[in-house]
Amino acid sequence: KAGVTQTPRYLIKTRGQQVTLSCSPISGHRSVSWYQQTPGQGLQFLFEYFSETQRNKGNFPGRFSGRQFSNSRSEMNVSTLELGDSALYLCASSFGTSGGEETQYFGPGTRLLVL
Amino acid sequence: AQSVTQLDSQVPVFEEAPVELRCNYSSSVSVYLFWYVQYPNQGLQLLLKYLSGSTLVKGINGFEAEFNKSQTSFHLRKPSVHISDTAEYFCAVISNFGNEKLTFGTGTRLTIIP
Repeated sequence: KAGVTQTPRYLIKTRGQQVTLSCSPISGHRSVSWYQQTPGQGLQFLFEYFSETQRNKGNFPGRFSGRQFSNSRSEMNVSTLELGDSALYLCASSFGTSGGEETQYFGPGTRLLVL
Repeated sequence: AQSVTQLDSQVPVFEEAPVELRCNYSSSVSVYLFWYVQYPNQGLQLLLKYLSGSTLVKGINGFEAEFNKSQTSFHLRKPSVHISDTAEYFCAVISNFGNEKLTFGTGTRLTIIP
């Protein structure tokens, strides 16, 4: 069974631009969560989608948004990029909702560099 | 609210020596606990998890962890490390009441010295 895939793997953008990242979960998984990983802040939860609905949201500004499609694929968008948005963005999928005992399976991440 | 503390940001260990990576958590409710490993330029991979039952949990690659409720700890151990264990290790916690997010520690970088 194929794992979680994320595209693109690497991105370079300039301040003020916007970016869209894509995540395809493991087949049959309905929950997709997004995390931002930086050396200073570590792994921080962005949001979770389940059956096309946002179920949970972290403490990030409104510039960060996401959505999930009927096939469970998810995208996250960051508008008006700032230098501090440079990070590794990780997507994780699970069969059910991410609460409790469900194991989340992570993709390889998209490394975003904002210049 | 829940939180995770990984006291050691870096742990150097000689090859074939034992290692313990420490993790302490804080939560007002019961939790599930996880250890993930991240190899260079890769995503996170689940090593093991504690949901209930036996407090000693065995995972992949020879790792194990012990849940200690009184000390609110979930330390990761391996009796003999290998060069391939060089990676960053993350402890994570989630409330078992559902609709909660997975909270990660800041990570411990394990460096194996040949």
